[in-house]
Amino acid sequence: AQTVTQSQPEMSVQEAETVTLSCTYDTSESDYYLFWYKQPPSRQMILVIRQEAYKQQNATENRFSVNFQKAAKSFSLKISDSQLGDAAMYFCAYQYAGGTSYGKLTFGQGTILTVHP
Amino acid sequence: GAVVSQHPSWVICKSGTSVKIECRSLDFQATTMFWYRQFPKQSLMLMATSNEGSKATYEQGVEKDKFLINHASLTLSTLTVTSAHPEDSSFYICSAIPGQGLGEQYFGPGTRLTVT
Repeated sequence: AQTVTQSQPEMSVQEAETVTLSCTYDTSESDYYLFWYKQPPSRQMILVIRQEAYKQQNATENRFSVNFQKAAKSFSLKISDSQLGDAAMYFCAYQYAGGTSYGKLTFGQGTILTVHP
Repeated sequence: GAVVSQHPSWVICKSGTSVKIECRSLDFQATTMFWYRQFPKQSLMLMATSNEGSKATYEQGVEKDKFLINHASLTLSTLTVTSAHPEDSSFYICSAIPGQGLGEQYFGPGTRLTVT
C-alpha cells in the first residue's frame, strides 16, 4: 500500500522569507501524481500544486515550487516570499494513475505552517 | 474553476437519529466522488468512493451500514449517518473528479456534524 509521510508537524516562517515543507512517499508504481493541498482555517481544501511522476521538470505555480526526486521518493514544497495568507495546514497527497484505486488520494499527516509578521 | 458544494455546512443531531449530507458538483459532472472524515488538526481519512449508478466502495474499517452513500446522479452524492452517536461527531468532506479523469480533485467546503 502507498504511504505518504510528512515529518514536520509544524513549521514557522517570517513574512517575506522562504520555507520548505517536506514529504516522502512509498510506492511500487511508476505512474502517479503528487499534490500539495492547503487547508486554511476555513477548512476548504485548496490545490496548491501538482506534479506528474513522468515529468522530470519540477512544477511551479507563482511563489510555490516543488523539488520532485522520483528515485528518492521525495516531494518537497517551497514557498517563496511567504505571506500571512499562506498560514494553513498543508497536505502532501499521492494518487495512483491506474488500477482499481483510480482517483483515490493518499494524504500525509499534514504540516501546520505559521507565518509571522 | 470547478465548484463542489456541501449541505448543510453544520448540523447538530441527537444520538440515535440519522442525518444526511449532500455533495454536489455545480458546474461539472463527476462519475466518482469521495467522502472523507477529518478530526481537528489531523489528516483526511478516506471513508468511501462513491460511483454514479453503482454501489460505493468502502475503505477498510468503515461501517457501510452506518455510513450510507448514494450517488444517484452525475452531480450529486449523499452520505447518510445512521443511528448517529457522539463518536460520529466530526468534519466530513466530499470531493469530486470531473468526468472520468485523473488528477485534481475538487473539494467541498465540508460539513461539521455534532451528535449530542
